[in-house]
Amino acid sequence: QVQLVQSGAEVKKPGASVKVSCKASGYTFTNYAMHWVRQAPGQRLEWMGWINRGNPYTRYSRKFQGRVTITRDTSATTAYMELSRLKSEDTAVYYCARDGGPHWFLDFWGQGTLVTVSS
Amino acid sequence: QSVLTQPPSVSAAPGQKVTISCSGSSSNIGNNYVSWYQQLPGTDPKLLIYDSNERPSGIPDRFSGSKSGTSATLGITGLQTGDEADYYCGTWDNSLSAYVFGTGTKVTVL
Repeated sequence: QVQLVQSGAEVKKPGASVKVSCKASGYTFTNYAMHWVRQAPGQRLEWMGWINRGNPYTRYSRKFQGRVTITRDTSATTAYMELSRLKSEDTAVYYCARDGGPHWFLDFWGQGTLVTVSS
Repeated sequence: QSVLTQPPSVSAAPGQKVTISCSGSSSNIGNNYVSWYQQLPGTDPKLLIYDSNERPSGIPDRFSGSKSGTSATLGITGLQTGDEADYYCGTWDNSLSAYVFGTGTKVTVL
C-alpha cells in the first residue's frame, strides 16, 4: 500500500532553515509527482510547491519563491522540502502529498511534520 | 489570499444532506478538474473526490462532487457524526501556475 512517512518535528530559531523528508513506499516513486502543503495552526491548507515525476522540474508558489527548495532522491524514494530564512509565521504542519495525476489531485498524504519557529 | 471561496461552515442533523460550494474563476475551476479533501480533527487531509466527480476506492457514495462553470459543489448525504471535519476544494490555477485550495468549510452535525 502507498505510504508517505515524514521526518519528525523540528524546532528552529528565526532565520534558520529546516529540511523535511518524505519517504515513499508502495509504488513506483518516479511515476508520480510530489507536492508540499503546509497548514498553520487553525488555518487553511496552503500549497507550497511540486516536483515533477520524470525530470526533477519544480514549481513553487510565488509566496515561497526564493525560500523553498523541493528535491528528491530517487534511489532512496524520498522527497525533501527545505525552507530557509524561517520566520515565526512559518510555524505550521508541513505535509508531502502524492500527485495522483493527470488532472492535479493529491491522493496520498504524509502524516505531517510540525515545524515550530521560536526564539 | 485564496482564489477559491467556500462557506466557513455548514451544519445539519444526522441523516440529512449538506452541500458545500467552491467558487473560483476561469483560470482555475473554469478550465480544470476539481478535487475535494476531508480533514478530520488532528489528522492529515484525505482525498474524497477527484476529477470533479470521481470517488477514490473506499469512499462511500454518500459523497458526491459536481462542477458547473467556475463553481464546484461537494454533497454529503446521510450525514453521520463521523463526517464532522473540515472540507477543502482544490484545483490547478493556470494564471498562478500553482495548485490552490479553497478557504475551507467546517461541517457540523447537529
